[in-house]
Amino acid sequence: QKEVEQNSGPLSVPEGAIASLNCTYSDRGSQSFFWYRQYSGKSPELIMFIYSNGDKEDGRFTAQLNKASQYVSLLIRDSQPSDSATYLCAVKGSGGSYIPTFGRGTSLIVHP
Amino acid sequence: GAVVSQHPSRVICKSGTSVKIECRSLDFQATTMFWYRQFPKQSLMLMATSNEGSKATYEQGVEKDKFLINHASLTLSTLTVTSAHPEDSSFYICSAPRRGSTNTEAFFGQGTRLTVV
Repeated sequence: QKEVEQNSGPLSVPEGAIASLNCTYSDRGSQSFFWYRQYSGKSPELIMFIYSNGDKEDGRFTAQLNKASQYVSLLIRDSQPSDSATYLCAVKGSGGSYIPTFGRGTSLIVHP
Repeated sequence: GAVVSQHPSRVICKSGTSVKIECRSLDFQATTMFWYRQFPKQSLMLMATSNEGSKATYEQGVEKDKFLINHASLTLSTLTVTSAHPEDSSFYICSAPRRGSTNTEAFFGQGTRLTVV
């Protein structure tokens, strides 16, 4: 059974701080890793994807991947109250079909 | 703008009735679509994979006779919850993968909040 684990939180950070969200996965053959943001009552929206070990930066967001440790993280710099949401980690294994496995999500609260 | 449109966004129905949810891919063809269900504070759980022109593939534990899926065209998949019961109340979300230049990205519909009373 492929598993994607996330701390459900809530993770509470002050405005302007760095929020660090973590995700571990069990399938060592996993190839693609995605971070989605989901506001309450809304469907998920893709923030970032990463395929290779290391860091990938996009604006205030940085995704970090360590395949040896089976660990992927999302850093949000200069956190804003509008970043308050649930962040879902999704992992896709090898193969041609696109069926990612989602983590339970981490609730992030950015307080003014 | 949205690339996957899901309708309705919210529905309330009586126990025992059926509800149809539509998922459309906009500006691209989707031979495969995915249907998820999400209970409060839980993750997305894949229910079934909808395949254009063939039968859907259901995940273990999902009743195919209760959750009818039809994918009759390359841009439309429907999920019908038959004989709905209060325990079917949930947030249903469809997703369609679109192949880009560097990766295949899954786009989600807006979701349907189903409440069975």
